[in-house]
Amino acid sequence: GAGVSQSPRYKVAKRGQDVALRCDPISGHVSLFWYQQALGQGPEFLTYFQNEAQLDKSGLPSDRFFAERPEGSVSTLKIQRTQQEDSAVYLCASSSGLPGAGYGYTFGSGTRLTVV
Amino acid sequence: AQRVTQPEKLLSVFKGAPVELKCNYSYSGSPELFWYVQYSRQRLQLLLRHISRESIKGFTADLNKGETSFHLKKPFAQEEDSAMYYCALTITGFQKLVFGTGTRLLVSP
Repeated sequence: GAGVSQSPRYKVAKRGQDVALRCDPISGHVSLFWYQQALGQGPEFLTYFQNEAQLDKSGLPSDRFFAERPEGSVSTLKIQRTQQEDSAVYLCASSSGLPGAGYGYTFGSGTRLTVV
Repeated sequence: AQRVTQPEKLLSVFKGAPVELKCNYSYSGSPELFWYVQYSRQRLQLLLRHISRESIKGFTADLNKGETSFHLKKPFAQEEDSAMYYCALTITGFQKLVFGTGTRLLVSP
């Protein structure tokens, strides 16, 4: 597609429920990133994929968070047993290169997760 | 650890006035710096990168390693510049961006 597509746009989950957030990156972009943005804060890094390999998951806040990109394109971020503190906008971004080499990200519109 | 500080949550100016959005970072090496912008009801998008020394929509930003700053400037603000602006940093060879908390720019007529 023309841009990074995320679904659903909004998700309301009851505390303890599992959720799955989907990201469809720009075709051909090898780098895919997930960020979490809490209200009033900047995006915070969760994890990074290069093709299907998850090269950095240092930002995942707990073992309830799991991300995959099995075929090197679409990625899913799964949160198990959601807690209220998981409420945030989850942003996916893709890039044809690395920020360290000066490449910018293309962001999706995000999924706003509200845990009640 | 790398850190990005944007000291102003809100910057309010009149149309035609100069604008400077402040960004300071903490990193002792040579960082890569970016400015991202989010207009109302739109997604976060790249505005400019220090590595390309570009001017986008009249905005410029100069990396000052002595002051560890990367302030975003525009000589004459326009109403359509109203948006949320985020400064971000990475290290050469690394993947993730570290973002500041953002500054909301409001340009009034």
